[in-house]
Amino acid sequence: NAGVTQTPKFQVLKTGQSMTLQCAQDMNHNSMYWYRQDPGMGLRLIYYSASEGTTDKGEVPNGYNVSRLNKREFSLRLESAAPSQTSVYFCATKPRDRGRRSLDGYTFGSGTRLTVV
Amino acid sequence: ILNVEQSPQSLHVQEGDSTNFTCSFPSSNFYALHWYRWETAKSPEALFVMTLNGDEKKKGRISATLNTKEGYSYLYIKGSQPEDSATYLCASPRREYGNKLVFGAGTILRVKS
Repeated sequence: NAGVTQTPKFQVLKTGQSMTLQCAQDMNHNSMYWYRQDPGMGLRLIYYSASEGTTDKGEVPNGYNVSRLNKREFSLRLESAAPSQTSVYFCATKPRDRGRRSLDGYTFGSGTRLTVV
Repeated sequence: ILNVEQSPQSLHVQEGDSTNFTCSFPSSNFYALHWYRWETAKSPEALFVMTLNGDEKKKGRISATLNTKEGYSYLYIKGSQPEDSATYLCASPRREYGNKLVFGAGTILRVKS
């Protein structure tokens, strides 16, 4: 009963390096999201995917790319890491986007703590 | 855009104290209000999803109320315990992002035994 699994849990990158954060869910949820958490700023949406094969930008997409290859997996890629991307990254899922009055809470992964030096 | 506000930023209480904190959000085009509990080194966990004005939800010692007309929600914890120590996040779907959740910065609660 894994739910939402994120890898890696910790990562240190040098400025300019690239990496991909992986997220996989076994809940058969349609919607998947990537958030970043910075002190005093709440969770900010980077990208989301309403269903397999579709992705859309969130509030802070610059410097990131995503890929939703199948229903289970939604990856986040940093092509050229910058110190400003030091953060905790959370993947989240929801059964489906049913519009405004959805009663579904999000299910979160345990986070990836990324430091860019 | 961060127009979901939470107060206070942090709170320290003694075991057994009851406490409450506030989430304010734009009352126009209200869709829903979510509360999450986030313990250090763990995943945020959904507590409540509320949609109706006047709604009140309860889970054990934790309860929440919702006022959509004035744009606020209160989270109450009765008889706080050390295991209640966590960051409490509220969030509301925003039309600007296809009704995806916009989170407040959270209230950090520390309960001393």
